[in-house]
Amino acid sequence: LAKTTQPISMDSYEGQEVNITCSHNNIATNDYITWYQQFPSQGPRFIIQGYKTKVTNEVASLFIPADRKSSTLSLPRVSLSDTAVYYCLVGIYNQGGKLIFGQGTELSVKP
Amino acid sequence: EPEVTQTPSHQVTQMGQEVILRCVPISNHLYFYWYRQILGQKVEFLVSFYNNEISEKSEIFDDQFSVERPDGSNFTLKIRSTKLEDSAMYFCASSRGLAANEQFFGPGTRLTVL
Repeated sequence: LAKTTQPISMDSYEGQEVNITCSHNNIATNDYITWYQQFPSQGPRFIIQGYKTKVTNEVASLFIPADRKSSTLSLPRVSLSDTAVYYCLVGIYNQGGKLIFGQGTELSVKP
Repeated sequence: EPEVTQTPSHQVTQMGQEVILRCVPISNHLYFYWYRQILGQKVEFLVSFYNNEISEKSEIFDDQFSVERPDGSNFTLKIRSTKLEDSAMYFCASSRGLAANEQFFGPGTRLTVL
């Protein structure tokens, strides 16, 4: 199981682009990288998943370098409503589907 | 858009009492999960359920806990004799497949044990 490391907290202002980087040095060949978002008092919500290079959806982009030992979640032009905890998860398919959450990155967006 | 629902939103109980937390997963999903989150701490996996049996459970999921899918739509978590340390948010989740990309979480039930 690949261990992940991400910053505990980040601050940003409305309209800025936010990049949250996750380190996963022990990622296995068949591991995917998945990000979830959790608002206060709500359940986690899937944001994006990728294996290599770049993935983009309507919410975010995920950049994965060639060595796959890290990944960066990019949130374009954040708003106050993007204030949440963001979790990086690796190797969930090897865990029978269960999600193992770390502490995540608490993003605070200020006006 | 289909969503996972949970009832009640908040449950207060006395230590030693039994509680049943209820979930209605998304209708075409086949895998179901319970997680919990103690206030200020990380989300923890409790149990996964498929084809009417437990697929995997964590160390937290001891003999006091049980899960059931009684009628093909509801998915329940029972705690037989609650302890103070069971106070937490309990989240139900469901997914289409075992290795599905996405687990859909419900809004949670806040359990307070007095």
